[in-house]
Amino acid sequence: GDSVTQMEGPVTLSEEAFLTINCTYTATGYPSLFWYVQYPGEGLQLLLKATKADDKGSNKGFEATYRKETTSFHLEKGSVQVSDSAVYFCALSSIQGAQKLVFGQGTRLTINP
Amino acid sequence: NAGVTQTPKFQVLKTGQSMTLQCAQDMNHEYMSWYRQDPGMGLRLIHYSVGAGITDQGEVPNGYNVSRSTTEDFPLRLLSAAPSQTSVYFCASSPAGVVAQYFGPGTRLLVL
Repeated sequence: GDSVTQMEGPVTLSEEAFLTINCTYTATGYPSLFWYVQYPGEGLQLLLKATKADDKGSNKGFEATYRKETTSFHLEKGSVQVSDSAVYFCALSSIQGAQKLVFGQGTRLTINP
Repeated sequence: NAGVTQTPKFQVLKTGQSMTLQCAQDMNHEYMSWYRQDPGMGLRLIHYSVGAGITDQGEVPNGYNVSRSTTEDFPLRLLSAAPSQTSVYFCASSPAGVVAQYFGPGTRLLVL
């Protein structure tokens, strides 16, 4: 079945550091890929998405590129801020427009000033 | 515009008790879904609905029941609570054809 694997956390960085959170997936066909962010005490928010190979999703300085050859969708940000501290989830949906999201286990990110 | 609201925020149940987790959205979204979040496992889909009167099972539906009588509401019923249902429950909604986009703040459930 479909699955998503994220890099082990927690991740701790200093402010203005470069961020990479790795995400790889296993899926049939051509899934859509997503990154969600969960701030402390809140529900998840959709951060960015990509629906086909080589697409780049971007939002709030975060980027991720859909790499079909390596089945990856790594999240990157050039200069992180304290306000980026949160849990980040990678997810996929194998059926376009369907509700069945498969999530990774989440990566907790802490940014120190 | 309140978005997606969930009640209660926190609940303690005894094994065997039943309860309903409430979820409502005021964005006129066709799609709604329920997920549970367990430590180290990400979120898993319990049930979902693509419109009033239409529901379907997700990855982990056992022990849960849903109905969708209106576009706005999508309650999740625990028929006979078990300790394995201790979790944080999230409701989500989205327009038709779009995966879960708006999540509620969650309900933390503890089953003793």
